[in-house]
Amino acid sequence: GEDVEQSLFLSVREGDSSVINCTYTDSSSTYLYWYKQEPGAGLQLLTYIFSNMDMKQDQRLTVLLNKKDKHLSLRIADTQTGDSAIYFCAESKVDSGGYQKVTFGTGTKLQVIP
Amino acid sequence: ETGVTQSPTHLIKTRGQQVTLRCSSQSGHNTVSWYQQALGQGPQFIFQYYREEENGRGNFPPRFSGLQFPNYSSELNVNALELDDSALYLCATGNRTTFSYGYTFGSGTRLTVV
Repeated sequence: GEDVEQSLFLSVREGDSSVINCTYTDSSSTYLYWYKQEPGAGLQLLTYIFSNMDMKQDQRLTVLLNKKDKHLSLRIADTQTGDSAIYFCAESKVDSGGYQKVTFGTGTKLQVIP
Repeated sequence: ETGVTQSPTHLIKTRGQQVTLRCSSQSGHNTVSWYQQALGQGPQFIFQYYREEENGRGNFPPRFSGLQFPNYSSELNVNALELDDSALYLCATGNRTTFSYGYTFGSGTRLTVV
């Protein structure tokens, strides 16, 4: 079955890099995602990576995928106080019924210290 | 503003009652998924609708049901509410051909069952 695990909490100083890690179990996952959730809000898609890629960079965000170890990471360069939020890792695959099944991790709370 | 609107934003219901939550999305978003997010947890998949038919379901009992309408709006209905149904309910919409690139989430409805 599908399972996605993340560490619960990360604290970094403003200006440093943050690295949020995630492990997943389903080797048939096709896409992996990082979402951001601010207090009282829904989830905002930050970035995604296709399972045959190793890395994707988008401005301050770098996603690394180690498919062999089923490990996904999100690096945020020059972390700002506005980056404080909960970050969710998610994996998806197309189920036998033809729908895209997405499984989310439990989220990592990022605290940025000024 | 994501273009996906959920209503109401907050709701308090009594155990045993029924509730209807609503989601309206952008034109062309023919796919909608509903998620339940308990406090401190990641979103759990309830079901997905495509072209007004349910085409995928998570581990939720039949008292969780849904509808999708031709105008890209949808509903989540929950009968016989239980205390454990207290959660943030999120809808996520997209077009089936680009869904793999990530969902657009609404801000959610916070349901409290007392």
